[in-house]
Amino acid sequence: EIVLTQSPATLSSSPGERATLSCRASQSVSSNLAWYQQKPGQAPRLLIYDATTRATGIPARFSGIGSGTDFTLTISSLEPEDFAVYYCQQRSKWPLYGFGQGTKLEIK
Amino acid sequence: EVQLVESGGGSVPPGGSLRVSCVVSGFSFSTSGMSWVRQAPGKGLEWVSSINGHGDDTYYADSVKGRFSISRDNSKNTLYLQMNSLRVEDTAVYYCAKVTVPVGAFDIWGQGTMVTVSS
Repeated sequence: EIVLTQSPATLSSSPGERATLSCRASQSVSSNLAWYQQKPGQAPRLLIYDATTRATGIPARFSGIGSGTDFTLTISSLEPEDFAVYYCQQRSKWPLYGFGQGTKLEIK
Repeated sequence: EVQLVESGGGSVPPGGSLRVSCVVSGFSFSTSGMSWVRQAPGKGLEWVSSINGHGDDTYYADSVKGRFSISRDNSKNTLYLQMNSLRVEDTAVYYCAKVTVPVGAFDIWGQGTMVTVSS
């Protein structure tokens, strides 16, 4: 079973700052990794898929890098609406899909 | 407009059954893989089950295998999750989501329906 570990659990930042979120897989998932943003009371929103490709309508300040076991989501300059919980998600043989435990991005 | 609308959630005692539904509009449902993802109160996301466009290929998380059944009616643009032998730990918001193929990401989500298992 592939386990995704996200760090940090909570990240405190200010608007305008750069935020870097990490996701590490217990074994290689190649580039089969996606990132989601979830705000309170809302469904998750797909940000990045295939580790580096922005989903439709996602601003360019969101970027993803990585392959194999180590992945990073970077938000280049935080906007007030970016403070939320972020999840990484992998697709592999088993479990078919899995999520990390999430990183809460909060306002400092 | 692309839309996924879940319904059927509610409160049920342990051991009970419930069926939740997801009506889809705005994209080709019959050619889309679909999934259920749940989120317990205050917790993270957990994949539950997936089904291919034809409905003849299904997958389940170990936590629900043998108790839950995913199905679809392409004539009604509707996805279902039949939940039997419910446990307290199944309490969660259940989201239906469209799966991008072959990427394997969830690109469209419903608003969720709450299922509470409690005596």
